[in-house]
Amino acid sequence: EPEVTQTPSHQVTQMGQEVILRCVPISNHLYFYWYRQILGQKVEFLVSFYNNEISEKSEIFDDQFSVERPDGSNFTLKIRSTKLEDSAMYFCASTLLQGGQPQHFGDGTRLSIL
Amino acid sequence: AQSVAQPEDQVNVAEGNPLTVKCTYSVSGNPYLFWYVQYPNRGLQFLLKYITGDNLVKGSYGFEAEFNKSQTSFHLKKPSALVSDSALYFCAVRGPQKVTFGTGTKLQVIP
Repeated sequence: EPEVTQTPSHQVTQMGQEVILRCVPISNHLYFYWYRQILGQKVEFLVSFYNNEISEKSEIFDDQFSVERPDGSNFTLKIRSTKLEDSAMYFCASTLLQGGQPQHFGDGTRLSIL
Repeated sequence: AQSVAQPEDQVNVAEGNPLTVKCTYSVSGNPYLFWYVQYPNRGLQFLLKYITGDNLVKGSYGFEAEFNKSQTSFHLKKPSALVSDSALYFCAVRGPQKVTFGTGTKLQVIP
């Protein structure tokens, strides 16, 4: 079964540095998402992306965050100047369609800000 | 605004006993409801969904969920719990633009 893959599995970065988290969604999917989960707790929606543009974003997704689909396969989340509170698990997800389609999640990138 | 509530942080159940993990929701329009399971150091795995039709939906690993429109609930159930069911369970609702997840319920099945 096709999977969403995320790299790296763990990223350690100094506060104030830029970080890019990478995702390869399932190849024929059209809708892409980033979520954040702090310490195995609530999964928080960050942003959804369709047709090469953001379709929805949360209040967490401020000017420090950006997403990009630089080619036909990758979907990236960039944090420009990381803060301690950005430390979390970041999950990428994708769906073929919206509505009743379940999202397929990657195994996440653990981001640790020092 | 759409929301999901999972009132129990943790549910403990003996192996072989039935289990229920509770979820209530709020969303405009017809709800699309989902249950996901998360094992340690893994992403969320889809278990089952309700779109329309029968109020009782069946999913993976013997799990089922009952949609109750009047109570706006979508409780996850399993007739006989296994130790391997121990994990973190998330209820989710899809609204017009995004999916909102509950806070998660840790299920502990005791041998």
